[in-house]
Amino acid sequence: GIQVEQSPPDLILQEGANSTLRCNFSDSVNNLQWFHQNPWGQLINLFYIPSGTKQNGRLSATTVATERYSLLYISSSQTTDSGVYFCAADFTGGGNKLTFGTGTQLKVEL
Amino acid sequence: DTAVSQTPKYLVTQMGNDKSIKCEQNLGHDTMYWYKQDSKKFLKIMFSYNNKELIINETVPNRFSPKSPDKAHLNLHINSLELGDSAVYFCASRRTGARTSLHFGNGTRLTVT
Repeated sequence: GIQVEQSPPDLILQEGANSTLRCNFSDSVNNLQWFHQNPWGQLINLFYIPSGTKQNGRLSATTVATERYSLLYISSSQTTDSGVYFCAADFTGGGNKLTFGTGTQLKVEL
Repeated sequence: DTAVSQTPKYLVTQMGNDKSIKCEQNLGHDTMYWYKQDSKKFLKIMFSYNNKELIINETVPNRFSPKSPDKAHLNLHINSLELGDSAVYFCASRRTGARTSLHFGNGTRLTVT
């Protein structure tokens, strides 16, 4: 069935470190988004990235649609980056809905 | 501010009660959604409306009834609340078509005691 898998499930970083989060999806997609759920529970849009590469400050994302994965890069991590990172995919023929991965729980320590 | 807003932010109620959560968006979007986030943080779609018409209805107990009075509003009514309904409920919206970004409200934390 349609699946979105994220790795790693948990990650602890020292402030200033870099990291890469991965999202694998099981079929072709029309839409791929990355979200950050902050410690207050808000879901923040990071990237809309069905293909290609985008950058926003210390964050960047790359989706290789033909190989069915997306990567989120966090550089020079800060404590405010802590939270859960979700990728979500809108599968071709999937009925116009985003299917979420199980998330990566990130904790950035001083 | 342009946003997806939901009320209330917190809702604590007893088993058996009926409650509603309201959602409004002023982004000009015509598709709205309800998602449920369980205690393990997993987000699962419940319903979707497009221009007041129900287009997605996942396997959700019929105690849950969405209502869309217009394309800017999507409310969720829950009858006969059960302990297992405790979760965070998120409203979201986007323009019609899969190739558009989904925007979420801040969530409603429902606790059933």
